[in-house]
Amino acid sequence: DVKVTQSSRYLVKRTGEKVFLECVQDMDHENMFWYRQDPGLGLRLIYFSYDVKMKEKGDIPEGYSVSREKKERFSLILESASTNQTSMYLCASSLDRYSNQPQHFGDGTRLSIL
Amino acid sequence: TQLLEQSPQFLSIQEGENLTVYCNSSSVFSSLQWYRQEPGEGPVLLVTVVTGGEVKKLKRLTFQFGDARKDSSLHITAAQPGDTGLYLCAGTFYTGGGADGLTFGKGTHLIIQP
Repeated sequence: DVKVTQSSRYLVKRTGEKVFLECVQDMDHENMFWYRQDPGLGLRLIYFSYDVKMKEKGDIPEGYSVSREKKERFSLILESASTNQTSMYLCASSLDRYSNQPQHFGDGTRLSIL
Repeated sequence: TQLLEQSPQFLSIQEGENLTVYCNSSSVFSSLQWYRQEPGEGPVLLVTVVTGGEVKKLKRLTFQFGDARKDSSLHITAAQPGDTGLYLCAGTFYTGGGADGLTFGKGTHLIIQP
């Protein structure tokens, strides 16, 4: 089974802090994704990556950056956290761009910015 | 941005009843996934459909992909309290040479009352 592990289930940070959310997958997947999930808005794509050191903006990249130095690890960075970034953050991975294989999700990180 | 409409948003029914959840888009999906999510957890993949007209069954759950690959439905027969959860449909749309991140519907909150 695919295992996507997010480093923290719950995280509380202060406004202005730099926040790192880590995600690791163990299936040698090429694709990795970061979403946020908010009531009434559903899941929205922040950033994704097709390969090491590659990144693509999703639908709502503002205020975020990402890093993919190793294939198995995809980090989401909040450069200067703000209260409107309080949300549930979900990481996902999938095999590659062309095989139509589904995405598999981690358990999420519930982030609160005070 | 591709739009994906899911209905109904909320559904509360009695144990033993049948129900159908719908997922519609104006764009053609290259593939479509259905996920189930419980509170505080990440979405768990139920099924992937790829071929127009495809029907897949998972115990009491039946998934159908429209012939034109623009819509899908999830039918649950004899619903049980354990079916309670948030059901999400998510589509992949090919752009250029590969697949982007998933576009999610806002989900159907399903409650099965004993």
